[in-house]
Amino acid sequence: GQNIDQPTEMTATEGAIVQINCTYQTSGFNGLFWYQQHAGEAPTFLSYNVLDGLEEKGRFSSFLSRSKGYSYLLLKELQMKDSASYLCAVRDSNYQLIWGAGTKLIIKP
Amino acid sequence: DAMVIQNPRYQVTQFGKPVTLSCSQTLNHNVMYWYQQKSSQAPKLLFHYYDKDFNNEADTPDNFQSRRPNTSFCFLDIRSPGLGDAAMYLCATSEADSGANVLTFGAGSRLTVL
Repeated sequence: GQNIDQPTEMTATEGAIVQINCTYQTSGFNGLFWYQQHAGEAPTFLSYNVLDGLEEKGRFSSFLSRSKGYSYLLLKELQMKDSASYLCAVRDSNYQLIWGAGTKLIIKP
Repeated sequence: DAMVIQNPRYQVTQFGKPVTLSCSQTLNHNVMYWYQQKSSQAPKLLFHYYDKDFNNEADTPDNFQSRRPNTSFCFLDIRSPGLGDAAMYLCATSEADSGANVLTFGAGSRLTVL
């Protein structure tokens, strides 16, 4: 079966750095996405990786290793507004999007 | 601004009383999706339209139906809501030929079943 694994919850301090990991087992691979979802709101797109390596976008970076079935989202200079769930999703060989359950990130002052 | 709009944002219904949720988009995307999301769970795809072509997920209950009368609008009908159907329903759109094919979500419709 197809599976996306990410930690259920993480806690970090304002101003610090946090890394949220995602591992996947899917039928083929056609890209990996990270979405941010604040409580009670819709997911919003953060990043897309289809080739190995690091994609940097301001305070957020996303890394992909296809051979390891692994990605991480790195958040720097954490702000209170970064408290949210972070969803990892992989597009498989049939172009179906397989979603993880999300990692709830709690930021403390 | 181009966007995806869902109505209503909050819907309360009684057990077994039909509900219709609506979604409209100004992005002119050719694909529209309906997802169900329960608390702390991954979004679950119910169905999607590629233009007018309807694609039903194998495990979507018959209780859920959808209509897409034109490019801009899509509806989700829940014929006889049960307590287990209480969830956030998310509409999303994408441009299938755009490479990354990123999904743009509406704000969601939260359904409560009494």
